[in-house]
Amino acid sequence: SAVISQKPSRDICQRGTSLTIQCQVDSQVTMMFWYRQQPGQSLTLIATANQGSEATYESGFVIDKFPISRPNLTFSTLTVSNMSPEDSSIYLCSVDGVAGTSTDTQYFGPGTRLTVL
Amino acid sequence: GDSVTQMEGPVTLSEEAFLTINCTYTATGYPSLFWYVQYPGEGLQLLLKATKADDKGSNKGFEATYRKETTSFHLEKGSVQVSDSAVYFCALSDQGAQKLVFGQGTRLTINP
Repeated sequence: SAVISQKPSRDICQRGTSLTIQCQVDSQVTMMFWYRQQPGQSLTLIATANQGSEATYESGFVIDKFPISRPNLTFSTLTVSNMSPEDSSIYLCSVDGVAGTSTDTQYFGPGTRLTVL
Repeated sequence: GDSVTQMEGPVTLSEEAFLTINCTYTATGYPSLFWYVQYPGEGLQLLLKATKADDKGSNKGFEATYRKETTSFHLEKGSVQVSDSAVYFCALSDQGAQKLVFGQGTRLTINP
């Protein structure tokens, strides 16, 4: 499977500010996704990052709050905008369609643990 | 919509005990089914998967069988170790949607 890295691994931010999280994969992938894991909760899909076009957002998530970029097949960013304490979560990227592996299987990065004060 | 329901935790067992974590699903199509594991302070790791009815996924001594008639994908291990302590997530993927739907997670603690 691919090696997936995220930056930063954790951060503590002030309310009202924004944070951009990076996801880097060591090989080209077809699909990239962003998930949120609120404290003690399961994972919820935020959006699918589409290469060269606007991301596809799930119900309850909007582009103004979570802008996403995907400039190529190995890299994506998620920005958490105008943060509030309710945004404190672990944000994880995942990938599918890694060259040489089966599709319909997602592999996850290590996550970014965000705390908003 | 699609959904996954896991047995509620936390689950605490002694080392070498038998483990079962129940998982049932609701889906309109024919999903693939997964178990992911999250060790303390880490991201999710794929533990095993099954893509069609009666398939058995297995890895690291864990097994789960895709039961279409009972819409279940229960995770089992014959003899757990302290190192198995983690949170376990059952998930499904509707191939058409290409996204994962997760259960609520089950925290497992194994005592020596």
